[in-house]
Amino acid sequence: DTAVSQTPKYLVTQMGNDKSIKCEQNLGHDTMYWYKQDSKKFLKIMFSYNNKELIINETVPNRFSPKSPDKAHLNLHINSLELGDSAVYFCASSHRDSVYGYTFGSGTRLTVV
Amino acid sequence: GENVEQHPSTLSVQEGDSAVIKCTYSDSASNYFPWYKQELGKGPQLIIDIRSNVGEKKDQRIAVTLNKTAKHFSLHITETQPEDSAVYFCAASIRNTGNQFYFGTGTSLTVIP
Repeated sequence: DTAVSQTPKYLVTQMGNDKSIKCEQNLGHDTMYWYKQDSKKFLKIMFSYNNKELIINETVPNRFSPKSPDKAHLNLHINSLELGDSAVYFCASSHRDSVYGYTFGSGTRLTVV
Repeated sequence: GENVEQHPSTLSVQEGDSAVIKCTYSDSASNYFPWYKQELGKGPQLIIDIRSNVGEKKDQRIAVTLNKTAKHFSLHITETQPEDSAVYFCAASIRNTGNQFYFGTGTSLTVIP
């Protein structure tokens, strides 16, 4: 199936731990994104990569580090997890100059306890 | 940067009635306006979009209107059905500038059978 896939779907971890979320797209898109959705459903962009190059880096704690090994993958690593990091994280992809919108993954629900 | 406001935040309608969600944007350079539907536990999915050279677009029971002068656009859902219940997001972007989307704050639509 062509899609944006993220793993894991659920992640429960203790404060202070380090965790990673993986994202892969097989749509041939050249740009990938990470969005954070809080409990009020606000969608806030965190990072955007185009052809493995960081093009958007919003105000995000430097505990969050994206890594793009190739243009089909964009992983999110989070160090020293805090309670406030609990949210749903969405990966998305698109063509940078496309006339179409994003394709989102199904999300990773991160719960920090 | 662009600021997108969305109203209402919650909306309940009887099955068969119409639902309207409104968004305003601030940057007159924005020229692409997609709408996303997010069902429970899933990622947002593109349902309809409109470009600034068009005033209205329709796809079966869903229509979107755009008023460039007033900088607002609206989603209209007619003959609502229970499966239309979801959170809807509007967004605005400026083509050819990296495809960054600015999302509204979401509208939780409940269709009452």
